[in-house]
Amino acid sequence: EVQLVESGGGLVQPGGSRRLSCAASGFTFSSYWMSWVRQAPGKGLEWVANIKHDGSEQNYVDSVKGRFTISRDNAKNSLYLQMNSLRAEDTAVYYCARDSRGYLWGQGTRVTVSS
Amino acid sequence: QSVLTQPPSVSGAPGQRVTISCTGSSSNIGADYDVHWYQQLPGTAPKLLIYDNSNRPSGVPDRFSGSKSGTSASLAITGLQAEDEADYYCQSYDSSLSGKVFGGGTKLTVL
Repeated sequence: EVQLVESGGGLVQPGGSRRLSCAASGFTFSSYWMSWVRQAPGKGLEWVANIKHDGSEQNYVDSVKGRFTISRDNAKNSLYLQMNSLRAEDTAVYYCARDSRGYLWGQGTRVTVSS
Repeated sequence: QSVLTQPPSVSGAPGQRVTISCTGSSSNIGADYDVHWYQQLPGTAPKLLIYDNSNRPSGVPDRFSGSKSGTSASLAITGLQAEDEADYYCQSYDSSLSGKVFGGGTKLTVL
């Protein structure tokens, strides 16, 4: 069974940093593109970033470019999102998702940016 | 303002058929990029409902179907059930943005 388990969410001050992790199991992690998708409170889904199966290519939505970094460790079946210079508008549930003919989703981890 | 446009809400009585539209442009759906649909029940993560325009993952009832034409796509739900009440999102890829894009979501109410 495909399983994606996010962790690392919490309360962070504006301007602060946070690192999200996603542990994957039930599939060959190193064969898939992976993404982070977020959902602000009461809002819709927003794609944040994705990374190629071997880590050689990353793409970001404009609003996080230069602040967020997506990475992966295929030996550990893990996906990461390093978030720096956080803003109130980054407050959201962050989902890890396997990208293959649509997304398969984790349960999400909540990040709240507030003083 | 989402790149893909969905109606904010639709409704229907149990047993009826409803459709949810997803309108894009020449840089996404019209460029022949695939459209995927997700169902998000209250308080839960989204779930893949339709992939590659019209395909159902294992376990998704055949009451759900998808189609695509030109710069638009549609999700149809027949034989509406109370458990179908949820938010529905379409998703594709946009070449001008070089990234994945979602519709704004449609809230389905079963009357």
